[in-house]
Amino acid sequence: GESVGLHLPTLSVQEGDNSIINCAYSNSASDYFIWYKQESGKGPQFIIDIRSNMDKRQGQRVTVLLNKTVKHLSLQIAATQPGDSAVYFCAENIGSGGSNYKLTFGKGTLLTVNP
Amino acid sequence: NAGVMQNPRHLVRRRGQEARLRCSPMKGHSHVYWYRQLPEEGLKFMVYLQKENIIDESGMPKERFSAEFPKEGPSILRIQQVVRGDSAAYFCASSPQGRTTEAFFGQGTRLTVV
Repeated sequence: GESVGLHLPTLSVQEGDNSIINCAYSNSASDYFIWYKQESGKGPQFIIDIRSNMDKRQGQRVTVLLNKTVKHLSLQIAATQPGDSAVYFCAENIGSGGSNYKLTFGKGTLLTVNP
Repeated sequence: NAGVMQNPRHLVRRRGQEARLRCSPMKGHSHVYWYRQLPEEGLKFMVYLQKENIIDESGMPKERFSAEFPKEGPSILRIQQVVRGDSAAYFCASSPQGRTTEAFFGQGTRLTVV
């Protein structure tokens, strides 16, 4: 069954504000997580990833936080821009055991940025 | 270096017809993955292939669906006798090795069964 899910299906923010998108996972064996951005009519685009031996990782304007205790993942987008409007998916992977190619996706959160 | 190329982008089939979806991986990539996305859902893993080999087809429906990745040419996802429930977006990803960390997704093929 589904092991990755989203707390909020939609999120609307003002341009310039910070956005936080949350994700819960239930498979404690997962050791690698990715956030994807999917714009309308396009394929998923890699944003940032994090391994289970870390609790925070930063990229350009994005930060991913991992709380293994409560199996929670979040994506923070700083100074959100209209071009950030998209559906955001978290995905998990079990890197060990020979199946490090298979991703399990959550249902996604639609982020809308208002100008 | 072109990205992962999928064609057609949109495909309409009548119930009972066959659908063929093509995926050309990025140059230098010999590992291909197919995912299906139902409306307002996340992507679901279907199959993982290397050249001329199916590595994991645990996400493929047992009937009507098949996939191949020949030595030459694109990977093909074939759906026989399509039904309305097959309507979805089908995405292909590729990587140089069999690791998700290096996978790039194509734009997808949107299949509509009427």
